[in-house]
Amino acid sequence: DVKVTQSSRYLVKRTGEKVFLECVQDMDHENMFWYRQDPGLGLRLIYFSYDVKMKEKGDIPEGYSVSREKKERFSLILESASTNQTSMYLCASRQLAEETGELFFGEGSRLTVL
Amino acid sequence: SQQGEEDPQALSIQEGENATMNCSYKTSINNLQWYRQNSGRGLVHLILIRSNEREKHSGRLRVTLDTSKKSSSLLITASRAADTASYFCATDTGGSYIPTFGRGTSLIVHP
Repeated sequence: DVKVTQSSRYLVKRTGEKVFLECVQDMDHENMFWYRQDPGLGLRLIYFSYDVKMKEKGDIPEGYSVSREKKERFSLILESASTNQTSMYLCASRQLAEETGELFFGEGSRLTVL
Repeated sequence: SQQGEEDPQALSIQEGENATMNCSYKTSINNLQWYRQNSGRGLVHLILIRSNEREKHSGRLRVTLDTSKKSSSLLITASRAADTASYFCATDTGGSYIPTFGRGTSLIVHP
């Protein structure tokens, strides 16, 4: 079975802390994505990566950075967490876009910033 | 910004009834997908329909696509309490094939 694993289901951090959200997929997928989900706003794309060491900004990259040093791992970094980054964060992966559009999602990481 | 918008925002039905939810989008698409999300969980892919297709079926799911109206519908037949979830459409455009999600329809199926 395909699997996308997010390292933490629930996190509580303080304003100003550096936060790492880790995502690992075991499907040898090329593409990986980070979305955030907020009530009434749906899913919004933060960053995506076509392949190792490649990254592209999504719709809301401000306050975030990403790292993809290995194909299976895509990390989302909040350099200095703020309360407006309290949200559900969803990681997803996908095989090459031309072959299939299906995204495989992790279970999500619910982050609270106090 | 959202490309697809689902309608209605919320839907409440009885078990056994059919549930229909719609998705409208703004610009030409490569394909359109529907996902399901149980409360507090990740999204699960349901079905993908390409821009040159008009209808697809998968079990109790039927998806239609009308590119002239820039809209799609998801029909769940003979609904069950276990179908209670949020349903999202996702569209991708251009050469990047980056999916953009709508705000979702919250479906409640009463036993």
